[in-house]
Amino acid sequence: NAGVMQNPRHLVRRRGQEARLRCSPMKGHSHVYWYRQLPEEGLKFMVYLQKENIIDESGMPKERFSAEFPKEGPSILRIQQVVRGDSAAYFCASSRTRDRTNTGELFFGEGSRLTVL
Amino acid sequence: EDKVVQSPLSLVVHEGDTVTLNCSYEVTNFRSLLWYKQEKKAPTFLFMLTSSGIEKKSGRLSSILDKKELFSILNITATQTGDSAIYLCAVHGSGNTGKLIFGQGTTLQVKP
Repeated sequence: NAGVMQNPRHLVRRRGQEARLRCSPMKGHSHVYWYRQLPEEGLKFMVYLQKENIIDESGMPKERFSAEFPKEGPSILRIQQVVRGDSAAYFCASSRTRDRTNTGELFFGEGSRLTVL
Repeated sequence: EDKVVQSPLSLVVHEGDTVTLNCSYEVTNFRSLLWYKQEKKAPTFLFMLTSSGIEKKSGRLSSILDKKELFSILNITATQTGDSAIYLCAVHGSGNTGKLIFGQGTTLQVKP
């Protein structure tokens, strides 16, 4: 049973280009979370999605960033017109459910490290 | 605004030492507090705490939660070089969206 799969593991982009990061949740998980980690910092929540729905995007920058989790296929975090400040590790996590028994454990992928030149 | 604060931010010890990592939080509608260990890759789950005063233990690691004083500690006894990592504390609360709010992490370095 594969864990959370993210690709690419490393991505280099020049300023102004687009970055697309993909995440396939664990089998049986229908909830996906994206986090960003800057050097020497903790994980900052960006967005929470279920299949075809954005549930909470309170941590997403208002411009250039978007996320989707289509009915078929992986979740995608898209960053348009990247700037140097977007350089970070982007982690995806998944969970089974958010019912009242869910106390919050998330399973993380190994991250996608974006470098903007 | 929900907040999680960890201390110290970094720590250097020698093998065999015991360390205590701290995590304090302010969160609406607390559900649980989680500890993760992050080496060079994905954070890996250590503990989930929901009740005050009940120690969770796994080998040389243990953790306890105080919901009255709003903090948790993670203890590591007889540290080994393999314990070197970033230890992340996270809290699940503020409605039921399921998101975790993370602290900034404690970087632990264990020297031989």
